[in-house]
Amino acid sequence: EVQLVESGGGLVQPGRSLKLSCAASGFTFSDYNMAWVRQAPKKGLEWVATISYDGSSTYYRDSVKGRFTISRDNAKSTLYLQMDSLRSEDTATYYCASHTGIPPYFDYWGQGVMVTVSS
Amino acid sequence: DIKMTQSPSSLSASLGERVTISCRASENINNYLSWYQKKEDGSVKLLIYHTSRLQPGAPSRFSGSGSGKDYSLTISGLESEDIATYYCQQGYTPWTFGGGTKLELK
Repeated sequence: EVQLVESGGGLVQPGRSLKLSCAASGFTFSDYNMAWVRQAPKKGLEWVATISYDGSSTYYRDSVKGRFTISRDNAKSTLYLQMDSLRSEDTATYYCASHTGIPPYFDYWGQGVMVTVSS
Repeated sequence: DIKMTQSPSSLSASLGERVTISCRASENINNYLSWYQKKEDGSVKLLIYHTSRLQPGAPSRFSGSGSGKDYSLTISGLESEDIATYYCQQGYTPWTFGGGTKLELK
């Protein structure tokens, strides 16, 4: 059974940093592109970033470019999202998801982790 | 960025009823359209990809159709476990989602 378990969320002040992790199991993690998708309170889903299966390519939405870094450790089957210079508008539940297919879609999702940016 | 517009934003339906949700893209997305189900407990599942391909494990009462800019998701007979919010998503980067359709029981 595919499992994606996010951790590392919490309350953080504007301008500070936070690092999310996503532990994967039940599939060959190193074969899959992976992504972070978020949902702000009372808003819809929003793609944040994607990393290729081997970590060689990364993609970001414009609003997080230069502030967020997606990375992975295939030996540990773990995906990361380093979030720097956080803003109130980054407040959301962050989901880890596999990002498969041509064109890609998000086929497996974690349960999500809440990030609140507030003073 | 390609904008995705879903309608309606909310919908009440009875058990057993046929339900259709629409999704319109701001430009032709060449059938690169997926549908997701998000439940109140926060869980998200892929239902349909490439407009009409059913994700393994998704119930066969779900189907998708469309072309060009216009797409739809149909539930052939609503069941209680289908109460959720549904999102469409287009397949060109940056990948964007519709605003969601909240499905409730009448």
